[in-house]
Amino acid sequence: TQLLEQSPQFLSIQEGENLTVYCNSSSVFSSLQWYRQEPGEGPVLLVTVVTGGEVKKLKRLTFQFGDARKDSSLHITAAQPGDTGLYLCAGQTSYDKVIFGPGTSLSVIP
Amino acid sequence: DTGVSQNPRHKITKRGQNVTFRCDPISEHNRLYWYRQTLGQGPEFLTYFQNEAQLEKSRLLSDRFSAERPKGSFSTLEIQRTEQGDSAMYLCASSLDGLGSNQPQHFGDGTRLSIL
Repeated sequence: TQLLEQSPQFLSIQEGENLTVYCNSSSVFSSLQWYRQEPGEGPVLLVTVVTGGEVKKLKRLTFQFGDARKDSSLHITAAQPGDTGLYLCAGQTSYDKVIFGPGTSLSVIP
Repeated sequence: DTGVSQNPRHKITKRGQNVTFRCDPISEHNRLYWYRQTLGQGPEFLTYFQNEAQLEKSRLLSDRFSAERPKGSFSTLEIQRTEQGDSAMYLCASSLDGLGSNQPQHFGDGTRLSIL
């Protein structure tokens, strides 16, 4: 069974701080996606990483895919209250099935 | 709005009743997925369609659950004889056909089911 773990589960920080959340698995994925979800809404895609070692930047967010394509990290610089939400990583298998991690719930306090 | 649309947004029903949810995917997307999400957890895969064909079903999908996509466009998810444990957010997502090409899924805002 392929599983994705995310850490930390909860994170509460002050506005302006930096943070990193992690997504780990023992399985290899053909790609990995990061989503952000706000209460009462569906997940919204932030980025897809495909190549081992790939780094993608989206404004203050930096995403990295591990060399072995088993893990990923999301780093946020100078967090803002608008970054508050549930951050989900999702791994796509070679059979196109997508497996989600349990998420990291981020709260940025003004 | 050309995103994924789900109806209703909320459904409250008594235990034992049947419920049906509808999902309208992005029009050019031939793949459609159903997920279930409980509070504080990530979405759990239930089933997915390629056009009208249901290609995979999770073991989470008991015989009380059935999904259809009769014309390869919209899809319905029916739960019969609902139980307390069925209370959750039911999410629908769609994507282009992307075997090996990592097509991302686009999600609707879900149907929140509450069983009294």
